[in-house]
Amino acid sequence: GAGVSQSPSNKVTEKGKDVELRCDPISGHTALYWYRQSLGQGLEFLIYFQGNSAPDKSGLPSDRFSAERTGGSVSTLTIQRTQQEDSAVYLCASSATGTSTDTQYFGPGTRLTVL
Amino acid sequence: SQELEQSPQSLIVQEGKNLTINCTSSKTLYGLYWYKQKYGEGLIFLMMLQKGGEEKSHEKITAKLDEKKQQSSLHITASQPSHAGIYLCGADSGGSNYKLTFGKGTLLTVNP
Repeated sequence: GAGVSQSPSNKVTEKGKDVELRCDPISGHTALYWYRQSLGQGLEFLIYFQGNSAPDKSGLPSDRFSAERTGGSVSTLTIQRTQQEDSAVYLCASSATGTSTDTQYFGPGTRLTVL
Repeated sequence: SQELEQSPQSLIVQEGKNLTINCTSSKTLYGLYWYKQKYGEGLIFLMMLQKGGEEKSHEKITAKLDEKKQQSSLHITASQPSHAGIYLCGADSGGSNYKLTFGKGTLLTVNP
C-alpha cells in the first residue's frame, strides 16, 4: 500500500514569509508525528497527533510553529514569519495506534530553505 | 531526557567487509528502532528491538539489544554499496506521546 507522503518535496522561501507543509499519513493510521532534521542537530520531535485527542505540542520551538490535522488524516505544519534557522528537513511519520513500540513510518520529508 | 549516542559518526569500508554500528542510551530503552536514510529521502524502517538480549536479522543486517537494555548494535555482514547511507537509532522516550529520540546518525560509505 501507499506509504507516508509529503509535499512539497522542496520549498525555498524568503525570510518573513509563511509556509505550509503537508503530510498524508498511511491510511488507517491514527497517530501522526512531525519531526525536524537540522544539520548538526539530528532529528527533533515537534508535535504528535493521536486520533481526536488534543495534540502534544511540547516539541514546537516557538509560537510561529503550528500544526493541524483535519479529519484524523492529513496534517499541515505551518511556519509563520520564517527565519533562516527554520531551514531544515521536516519529516512526518505515522503509526497504526500511536502506542509504545508501535513502529513509526516516515515520509520522504520536505526540505525547507529560508533565504 | 533520554540521549542516544551513536558510534562511529562515520565509517568507510570496502565492499565485502563486515561492520558494526553502536547505539548507547543514558537510560533504559523501552523500544529501540533502527532506521536507514539516504540523502533526500525519508527514514526507512529496519528493525525494532524491545526485550533485553533480543536479536533480529533481515538479510545481511543483524541488530541486537543488550541484556541491560541500554546498548544496541547493528551489524552488517559482507557489506555492499547498497548498504551505504545514514543509519539512525531511535528510542521510545517512555512518555505518553511515544515520540522517538534519535541519535545523530552514522554515515556509512561502502567502496566498490
